[in-house]
Amino acid sequence: AQTVTQSQPEMSVQEAETVTLSCTYDTSESDYYLFWYKQPPSRQMILVIRQEAYKQQNATENRFSVNFQKAAKSFSLKISDSQLGDAAMYFCAYRSSSLVMNYGGSQGNLIFGKGTKLSVKP
Amino acid sequence: KAGVTQTPRYLIKTRGQQVTLSCSPISGHRSVSWYQQTPGQGLQFLFEYFSETQRNKGNFPGRFSGRQFSNSRSEMNVSTLELGDSALYLCASSLNYVAGIRAGTQYFGPGTRLLVL
Repeated sequence: AQTVTQSQPEMSVQEAETVTLSCTYDTSESDYYLFWYKQPPSRQMILVIRQEAYKQQNATENRFSVNFQKAAKSFSLKISDSQLGDAAMYFCAYRSSSLVMNYGGSQGNLIFGKGTKLSVKP
Repeated sequence: KAGVTQTPRYLIKTRGQQVTLSCSPISGHRSVSWYQQTPGQGLQFLFEYFSETQRNKGNFPGRFSGRQFSNSRSEMNVSTLELGDSALYLCASSLNYVAGIRAGTQYFGPGTRLLVL
């Protein structure tokens, strides 16, 4: 079974600085998706960035970028020029690319880490 | 394009009652998944529907059930509520569900906060 681990329960960053959130995962599959979701106090889960495992190039979205190390099964999120609005819980998630009917399993659905609470200091 | 909508947003029930939560996916999305979020267990997958059929099910008791309608809207039902069912229930929709084809990104609704007293 796949697992996702976020080893930093809490992180803090100064406004305008850069912060990196860590995520590691375990899988025997070769084809999958990785995501970072942001959950602010409103509890709305917002997609930050997505990476497809078959792509070697790291995904970027404006101030957000990832460092995807497939062999090491590592998927960190870098937030540049941090803003107050970046304060939230950040969840790393894994999703298999092959969708199989599997009652009792979780293939094809998101497997989340426990989350990292990011605080941004003004 | 409107996002995923969930109703109601807040709900208070007592033990033993049942509850039904509703989710309308993004227009054109045919796959709907449900997740439970609690402080202790984090985010856990409940079930996934596509074309009115349950495709995947997480490790939850039979008190948790769901269905999907022909317009892709989905409902989940929890019978005989227990205190431990208090949680945020999140619905997510995605575009692709074809066996062997790459899965789409899941987009989440605002959630339904259920409190069981």
